[in-house]
Amino acid sequence: GESVGLHLPTLSVQEGDNSIINCAYSNSASDYFIWYKQESGKGPQFIIDIRSNMDKRQGQRVTVLLNKTVKHLSLQIAATQPGDSAVYFCAETSSWGKLQFGAGTQVVVTP
Amino acid sequence: DSGVTQTPKHLITATGQRVTLRCSPRSGDLSVYWYQQSLDQGLQFLIQYYNGEERAKGNILERFSAQQFPDLHSELNLSSLELGDSALYFCASSKDGPNTGELFFGEGSRLTVL
Repeated sequence: GESVGLHLPTLSVQEGDNSIINCAYSNSASDYFIWYKQESGKGPQFIIDIRSNMDKRQGQRVTVLLNKTVKHLSLQIAATQPGDSAVYFCAETSSWGKLQFGAGTQVVVTP
Repeated sequence: DSGVTQTPKHLITATGQRVTLRCSPRSGDLSVYWYQQSLDQGLQFLIQYYNGEERAKGNILERFSAQQFPDLHSELNLSSLELGDSALYFCASSKDGPNTGELFFGEGSRLTVL
């Protein structure tokens, strides 16, 4: 069936280093992908999105890469900070489809 | 503050009972989404409404039902509660469909079934 999944459940990163979070999706009809960040006790918060007609999009300290050939999505966080410690989810959808979330990756930033 | 309001924040009830969770979307948002988040399931999509009509349905149990009212607020009704229904229930809203921009999530309603 359709699914979105993450390769690593936990990512430990030293402060100041770059983080890379990976995500695989299986629905080739998906045309919109989003990364969300969820801090403890809070609802998910939008980070960045990308449409299927693009392969890269940059935001403030974050970059999302989309490889449609292998159905892979990644989120890169530059100069990771303690405030980046959270669970990160990828999500995918198509027009009026269900917005499906992956399992999530816990990012732990160490000093 | 996302602008999405969920009540109650916490709810403790017994098996077999029925509860209603309420969501007020951001001003101007027509779509409302419900998600269930438990420890071993991640964020599971339940259902989506757009301007009062159901638009997409996920793995929502028959014991659960939802609706979106003319003022665009939404309610999620959970009945014949079981221990496994204990979870965080999130509501989110967006202006249009899920692929037109970000969803704004509320802080969630934590349901504990004893």
